[in-house]
Amino acid sequence: DTEVTQTPKHLVMGMTNKKSLKCEQHMGHRAMYWYKQKAKKPPELMFVYSYEKLSINESVPSRFSPECPNSSLLNLHLHALQPEDSALYLCASSHERGRRRELFFGEGSRLTVL
Amino acid sequence: DAKTTQPNSMESNEEEPVHLPCNHSTISGTDYIHWYRQLPSQGPEYVIHGLTSNVNNRMASLAIAEDRKSSTLILHRATLRDAAVYYCILSITSGTYKYIFGTGTRLKVLA
Repeated sequence: DTEVTQTPKHLVMGMTNKKSLKCEQHMGHRAMYWYKQKAKKPPELMFVYSYEKLSINESVPSRFSPECPNSSLLNLHLHALQPEDSALYLCASSHERGRRRELFFGEGSRLTVL
Repeated sequence: DAKTTQPNSMESNEEEPVHLPCNHSTISGTDYIHWYRQLPSQGPEYVIHGLTSNVNNRMASLAIAEDRKSSTLILHRATLRDAAVYYCILSITSGTYKYIFGTGTRLKVLA
């Protein structure tokens, strides 16, 4: 099983809504990542979890709140978002130790904020 | 953080080799060089990575300059399915790995 599964694939939300994006992997990876990708731009790193602990936060606004409840799951909680937060949100995972550090990406959750 | 610079776009004829360049003049000694590609409506997928020596796999080859300030991804025979955005990425090795994407090269393959 070499898949990273993201749900939902599409999400439309108002600026006052609270919603969550979910990411799951069963490859035994202990590093998990959230990236944000705007149209025709490269993915931008948001958060990195290592062994279920937040390791890197790239100065992301607090309206984005990550959570890693166990080694297979990664959530991104969304609250009071702005229209400019509309983007493709990509989850990825990788081994935390050793040389094989390739990232496995999900297909992304496309978020539209109205 | 170290940055990578890539041409915005390149074209290639089908069945011909493609050389995709990347500059990373501020690379640190322990940073790995990775290449990923992203097809439309998909997440990026791994292509190849290396540290100092040239690398080959079933998808591509990676040629790394001796001073490590640049690298080239080589697709030996481009097919229409290779049309994608190719990203050169440095994995910053300070504690937890941090993968910073470059701007990417959009590869167009002509039939």
